[in-house]
Amino acid sequence: QVQLVQSGSELKKPGASVKISCKASGYTFTHYAMNWVRQAPGRGLEWMGWMNTNLGRPTYAQDFTGRFVFSLDTSVSTAYLEITNLEADDTAVYYCAPTYPRMYYFDYWGQGTPDTVSS
Amino acid sequence: QSALTQPASVSGSPGQSITISCTGTSRDVGAYDFVSWYQQFPGEVPKLILYEVGYRPSGISDRFSGSKSGTTASLTISGLQPEDESHYYCQAYTSGGTWVFGGGTKVTVL
Repeated sequence: QVQLVQSGSELKKPGASVKISCKASGYTFTHYAMNWVRQAPGRGLEWMGWMNTNLGRPTYAQDFTGRFVFSLDTSVSTAYLEITNLEADDTAVYYCAPTYPRMYYFDYWGQGTPDTVSS
Repeated sequence: QSALTQPASVSGSPGQSITISCTGTSRDVGAYDFVSWYQQFPGEVPKLILYEVGYRPSGISDRFSGSKSGTTASLTISGLQPEDESHYYCQAYTSGGTWVFGGGTKVTVL
């Protein structure tokens, strides 16, 4: 069965960087794109972008360019989200969610990684 | 890409039906029938309850139904039950090949 295991909670200071991992199992990693979704405290879901796991090509949503970087290690079926120069507004839970080509919904989600940015 | 518009809150009594709207544009909700709905309880992961406007994944109650007209999609919960009290988010695939979520609706069972 499809499983997505994300790395644990993070506590970072403003200006630092964080790298969140999402390890996939139960399917062929490079057959599904990997999406990233942010949810700030008490707020809604925001689609951050997706990673073409076959080509290693990222696509970022308009609000998530510059400080946000998607990457992969296909040898261990893991996707990464790195956020640099952290700001307080980056405090959120970050989710990974794979999508299969021509399946336009997220039926599997990682458990979420809370990231708190505070001095 | 702006978030899809949902009412902040909807409430109903047990047994009633409620409908949550999700309004977008011709570039998202109106572009394709690729509208999904998610249920999220506090502290939990979002759960897919409808996809492609009105299809239910296995195990989802048939009290949840969906429809779409133009640039507005709707989620209807029939026979409202206390366990339906949750947040609900719509999502659409856009003509630009991206996704966009709605702002979310809190459903309260009175």
